Amino acid sequence: QVQLVQSGAEVKKPGASVKVSCKASGYTFTGYRMYWVRQVPGQRLEWMGWIAAGNGDTRYSQKFQDRVTITRDTSATTGYMELSSLRSEDTAVYFCARALSGRACDSWGHGTPVIVSS
Amino acid sequence: EIVLTQSPATLSLSPGERATLSCGASQSVGSNSLAWYQHRPGLAPRLLIYDASSRATGIPDRFSGSGSGTDFTLTISRLEPEDFAVYFCHQYGSAPRTFGGGTKVEIK
Repeated sequence: QVQLVQSGAEVKKPGASVKVSCKASGYTFTGYRMYWVRQVPGQRLEWMGWIAAGNGDTRYSQKFQDRVTITRDTSATTGYMELSSLRSEDTAVYFCARALSGRACDSWGHGTPVIVSS
Repeated sequence: EIVLTQSPATLSLSPGERATLSCGASQSVGSNSLAWYQHRPGLAPRLLIYDASSRATGIPDRFSGSGSGTDFTLTISRLEPEDFAVYFCHQYGSAPRTFGGGTKVEIK
């Protein structure tokens, strides 16, 4: 069955970077996009960006464009989301999800809590 | 971007009752590209409905979706104990993809 297994919780200081991984299994990794979405406590989910696992094309939300980098390792069937220049407002749960272009995200990871605190 | 507004924020019901959740869009959702998810704390969100009214694989038929354009509804015909959770809508018809604020279905 399709599984997206994310890396564990992180605690970071302001100004640092965090890199979250998402290990995919149970499907052809290169046939899908991997989306990254976050949920700040008390707020709605917000889309950060995606990567086409096949050719590596990426698209980022304007809000995160300057600070986020999404990559993938096809041999490891793993996607990565790196967020830099962290601030306290980046404290959130970060999710990966897979989707075909123009289709609903049909499988999600369990989420990775990231706490940014001095 | 399309803003999705869900109502009510909280729905207090008993097992066996019918739940009706609403999702309104600030502009028409292209191709009715609207999905509903169930989310329990600590778990991965679970796709229930896609394309406004199509049930995802393995989803019980007590879950149904309807609507088009700017108004969408998720109905749970008879609540089972495992259905008490947060539900959110998501539009993928226009970039950027956006999400509703969620409706918590809690036990009365």
